[in-house]
Amino acid sequence: DSGVTQTPKHLITATGQRVTLRCSPRSGDLSVYWYQQSLDQGLQFLIQYYNGEERAKGNILERFSAQQFPDLHSELNLSSLELGDSALYFCASSPTGTSQETQYFGPGTRLLVL
Amino acid sequence: KNQVEQSPQSLIILEGKNCTLQCNYTVSPFSNLRWYKQDTGRGPVSLTIMTFSENTKSNGRYTATLDADTKQSSLHITASQLSDSASYICVVSGPMDSNYQLIWGAGTKLIIKP
Repeated sequence: DSGVTQTPKHLITATGQRVTLRCSPRSGDLSVYWYQQSLDQGLQFLIQYYNGEERAKGNILERFSAQQFPDLHSELNLSSLELGDSALYFCASSPTGTSQETQYFGPGTRLLVL
Repeated sequence: KNQVEQSPQSLIILEGKNCTLQCNYTVSPFSNLRWYKQDTGRGPVSLTIMTFSENTKSNGRYTATLDADTKQSSLHITASQLSDSASYICVVSGPMDSNYQLIWGAGTKLIIKP
């Protein structure tokens, strides 16, 4: 158990809909990362937050947005969903978000868009 | 272009045998290199991390080596066990700054057969 929690574990929705994925980092960690992993594909970095502020952005679509709240939990919002958005979405956290730190991953949210 | 390439893409070995996974990178400047283990459907877990000045790092039956001159790393698994079946991901970091780069490889899928 990494100490990172993600909800929900599974999510089934229809095309065109909007969903919100939630992540709580490890106690004491200030930085949160979001990743997308499609079936049998590698991890794709989406976005990173540090203490409420966006720090780095990867291959995140304009239909997707995220934020980190004052209590440090983070939410990833996916809108106008398409079939290709079906994937595992992982959240990770680290203490201060530098490249020297190990990221600790949550169990993921499995999203299925029908 | 900063890239991380891993080989082989997949590997099947018998339980008890040793194996070596390869990682070549073109990330420059380079800060550190990590190997993660990802069980199917689970979040990645850090195995080792090496800076440019380190040549080898062990974690139990896992030994990572790094040649910063040739930009190559390997992960050697000794006396494989069924629980070693997973994807192994090489991740290379750029310099430590507010917009650091973290380049993820596509992973090597390892299957251990009894």
